[in-house]
Amino acid sequence: DQQVKQNSPSLSVQEGRISILNCDYTNSMFDYFLWYKKYPAEGPTFLISISSIKDKNEDGRFTVFLNKSAKHLSLHIVPSQPGDSAVYFCAASEGAAGNKLTFGGGTRVLVKP
Amino acid sequence: DAMVIQNPRYQVTQFGKPVTLSCSQTLNHNVMYWYQQKSSQAPKLLFHYYDKDFNNEADTPDNFQSRRPNTSFCFLDIRSPGLGDAAMYLCATAESSYNEQFFGPGTRLTVL
Repeated sequence: DQQVKQNSPSLSVQEGRISILNCDYTNSMFDYFLWYKKYPAEGPTFLISISSIKDKNEDGRFTVFLNKSAKHLSLHIVPSQPGDSAVYFCAASEGAAGNKLTFGGGTRVLVKP
Repeated sequence: DAMVIQNPRYQVTQFGKPVTLSCSQTLNHNVMYWYQQKSSQAPKLLFHYYDKDFNNEADTPDNFQSRRPNTSFCFLDIRSPGLGDAAMYLCATAESSYNEQFFGPGTRLTVL
């Protein structure tokens, strides 16, 4: 029972263009969402997050959008850079802060120069 | 720099031979997590400690145990590794007030 799904296993984009990564969830109790980036042979690193009381959060080139009615969030990377090539994981948590995260399966992004 | 350290980075063990993976943190976070990640899959939470309180996930096999002797260190013990336990094992920490988890680089376990 996958509560967090990333339906696109991979994405290829040209340098300078927009990368859009999608994530769907089924648990309506999730109230905090995070995106992590993972390079090979490294642990995931936190990228950006959003609380369910917001519908958008922006940090530099990264913007996360949350559509609660659709149980859908997306990560936009503009402009994409070759260093953004990595696996991106969507994660969600419910309840009090510090709770465990439920991860999606990841999307591998390749940014072509 | 404050960080999460995992040792060793690569571990090879034989089928059935016990193995211990270690995690240490300099962040002084009170929550520590162990995840298992198999190729092309989502990290799967095995268990976590909230301070000294141990929380096991319902589907974590009994073969997996954990110890947290102090705030800084946490260990993952696999009592009798099977071929299916070959995976990347990730340790993460969090300050209880925040949801953001900080991950170590992981230990890749190979079972021969």
